[in-house]
Amino acid sequence: RKEVEQDPGPFNVPEGATVAFNCTYSNSASQSFFWYRQDCRKEPKLLMSVYSSGNEDGRFTAQLNRASQYISLLIRDSKLSDSATYLCVGDGGQNFVFGPGTRLSVLP
Amino acid sequence: DVKVTQSSRYLVKRTGEKVFLECVQDMDHENMFWYRQDPGLGLRLIYFSYDVKMKEKGDIPEGYSVSREKKERFSLILESASTNQTSMYLCASSLTLNQPQHFGDGTRLSIL
Repeated sequence: RKEVEQDPGPFNVPEGATVAFNCTYSNSASQSFFWYRQDCRKEPKLLMSVYSSGNEDGRFTAQLNRASQYISLLIRDSKLSDSATYLCVGDGGQNFVFGPGTRLSVLP
Repeated sequence: DVKVTQSSRYLVKRTGEKVFLECVQDMDHENMFWYRQDPGLGLRLIYFSYDVKMKEKGDIPEGYSVSREKKERFSLILESASTNQTSMYLCASSLTLNQPQHFGDGTRLSIL
């Protein structure tokens, strides 16, 4: 079983929609989680950290569910510029493990 | 802001050549990492280093070596390049092992 799993998508949503991604992790001892955004042919960039109490940054909300071992990312009022691949990351003990990414396309 | 700089954006080499990819970070980070990213496979860790002259194997170290002679610089070496090493290579750094990593722009390496 892969340590961090994501639905690869693509998620095609209209502008203004709310979209949510989940990411499951297998290491129950994982403590640190992050969401990264990666644009086509560019490097991953940190979007936000995921805290046990949840984390909100403008239109983006990240949640952690330890009981079910998943993290989520909610994007409200999606913009065309939100189109990208979203990578979830969890610590696998010695290092971070990156999920394969979920591709989002926001359509006009 | 953290700045991670990779020496080349695009590189074309021939099979059997020795290839050096260089990475420099300017934030005095302890940890540095080399990944490769391939379609459908995501980011895979090749090697990482948590201190000068220290290195640890990642998930796919075969065919690669690394060098960290100075804190700010981490080099990836392909000892004898092969076509299956054609990929996007990404360098990253972090202050501690449980803090987020910051990536360079990446090097698209093609082995012919």
